[in-house]
Formats: sequence, structure tokens, C-alpha cells
Amino acid sequence: NAGVTQTPKFQVLKTGQSMTLQCAQDMNHNSMYWYRQDPGMGLRLIYYSASEGTTDKGEVPNGYNVSRLNKREFSLRLESAAPSQTSVYFCASRQGGRGYGYTFGSGTRLTVV
Amino acid sequence: GQQVMQIPQYQHVQEGEDFTTYCNSSTTLSNIQWYKQRPGGHPVFLIQLVKSGEVKKQKRLTFQFGEAKKNSSLHITATQTTDVGTYFCAGPGSGGGADGLTFGKGTHLIIQP
Repeated sequence: NAGVTQTPKFQVLKTGQSMTLQCAQDMNHNSMYWYRQDPGMGLRLIYYSASEGTTDKGEVPNGYNVSRLNKREFSLRLESAAPSQTSVYFCASRQGGRGYGYTFGSGTRLTVV
Repeated sequence: GQQVMQIPQYQHVQEGEDFTTYCNSSTTLSNIQWYKQRPGGHPVFLIQLVKSGEVKKQKRLTFQFGEAKKNSSLHITATQTTDVGTYFCAGPGSGGGADGLTFGKGTHLIIQP
């Protein structure tokens, strides 16, 4: 049981390049999320998908787009990377209902130079 | 918007000493969740508290939810080196969690042997 799988684990981009971070979960969860984690800032929500077919902005959506490809997959795209997007990106999913927390992937460490 | 504040930011303890982190929300929460992140790792769900005044224990960890459902605490008794990491509290948005959690900035627990 893999849980939440993120690829790639590490990436270095030049300013202005684009890339897509991939996330897939095998737990049949309805909701999926993208967070970024920066030193001293904690985890901040970028985008989320409460259910298949829907996506919504979180706290820090500027510079990002998302696609909920199907129930399993939720991708995050940087169209024109900027140094301010250097961060660790976590994908998470949630079963829903009381008592269930989020399951996080292992993260993508992105550096934009 | 909702804010979740955590103190202290860092806590150094000697192995065997107790540790407590505190979480305060600017709004009343329907529930609060706690996560642990080991250095270089990803957040891992520990527990969810739902009821006013609720206290839950997991071995040496004790979690409390305030009577007003605006504050919470995590207490670790007799810390061990395996407790090293960052502890986050998180509260749900207006959608009950399907629209993402708001995380505190975390408390870094550093243990000196």
C-alpha cells in the first residue's frame, strides 16, 4: 500500500522554466491538496480538490495551476518558475469524515535558480 | 482569515524531560488535528480532537482541546530521542476540512542526550 506518491523528489529549475509536480494516491480518497513548506512559514495551502472534478484556490495560489486528472491523481504546474517558488511541496489526501487526518506524500524539494 | 498560532517555536529539552506545545486559534474550531514531522520527512497525522475539553492519550503523548474549542496542547512525558521533530497543530476551514487545513508554524523539539 503506497499511500501518496509524489514525483519527482528533487528538482532544480531555471527562472522562467515550467514543470509539473505529480501526485497519486491509492487509498480511494476523495479530497487532495497541495501545500508548500518554507522555513519559518509552516505549511501553506496552494490548491485543493475537495472531490473529483473540482479544484479551488488555497492561501497562496499565485503562480500555480492544478489538474485533478481523476480520483487518484492531482498535479501541480508551475508555468514560469520564480526563485520565490523555491520550497518543499507536499501533496496530501483525505478520506473524509471524523477522525481521519491527512496522508502526506514524501515531498518534492524544488529549487529555482 | 483563520489564524492558528503555536508556541514556542523551538524547545530544547534534556532527554527524559517533559515537553509541551500550545496552539491557539483566532476562531472557534470544529476540531483540531496534530501532526509530527521528523527532520527531512513529511507530516504524519497523530490525532484529531473534536469535543470541548477533550483529552486523549497516546502512550507518553497527551492531547487536550480547550473548553472554548479555540486552543489545544500536546504534552510529551519523559521525552526520548525518537520524539525529535516538529509538531504542528491544524484547524479546518469552513468546509470542515475538505477545503484544507490551516497549520500552525510548528514547534521544533530538540532533545539533548
